[in-house]
Amino acid sequence: GAGVSQSPSNKVTEKGKDVELRCDPISGHTALYWYRQSLGQGLEFLIYFQGNSAPDKSGLPSDRFSAERTGGSVSTLTIQRTQQEDSAVYLCASSTTSGRLSGNTIYFGEGSWLTVV
Amino acid sequence: SQQGEEDPQALSIQEGENATMNCSYKTSINNLQWYRQNSGRGLVHLILIRSNEREKHSGRLRVTLDTSKKSSSLLITASRAADTASYFCATMAQGGSEKLVFGKGMKLTVNP
Repeated sequence: GAGVSQSPSNKVTEKGKDVELRCDPISGHTALYWYRQSLGQGLEFLIYFQGNSAPDKSGLPSDRFSAERTGGSVSTLTIQRTQQEDSAVYLCASSTTSGRLSGNTIYFGEGSWLTVV
Repeated sequence: SQQGEEDPQALSIQEGENATMNCSYKTSINNLQWYRQNSGRGLVHLILIRSNEREKHSGRLRVTLDTSKKSSSLLITASRAADTASYFCATMAQGGSEKLVFGKGMKLTVNP
């Protein structure tokens, strides 16, 4: 696609329910990133994929959070038993190769706004 | 953990004035990037500067990098009301993970 696509754009869920957030990166981009941004705050790194593997998942806040990527393309971030503190914008980004080696630009999607009530 | 720290955290200027934002970081980096965010949604990449570069220009943007001081600055010249947004610096550390670590951001308001 033309850009990084995320769905849903907005999600309101009840505390304790599971949610899945989807990211469709730019076609051909091998690196994929998930970030979380709470209201008025900076971006918090969650996980990074290179192809289907996740070399760095150090930012996942707890074992309620998991992510997978299949076919080197679409990624899903799953939050189980959601809590109110999970409310945030979840941003996905992709790049052509690993940014460190090539310095390539990372392109962001518009984010999924999650509200846990 | 956040590596980049933008300074000031908020800046309000008049249209036509220049805006300078500073970013400090802690570890050795491969590159530093500046992003802009409108209305708390997706970030837009502005400019990337590699660790072996000292200055880079893109339109009304000028970025400098001083690796000895572990700092960078973003200058927006002849600002416009449309430049009103939050600006973030982000760094990719040498070695280790290839994640991009963001600062907390800086809110720029350009008054017409």
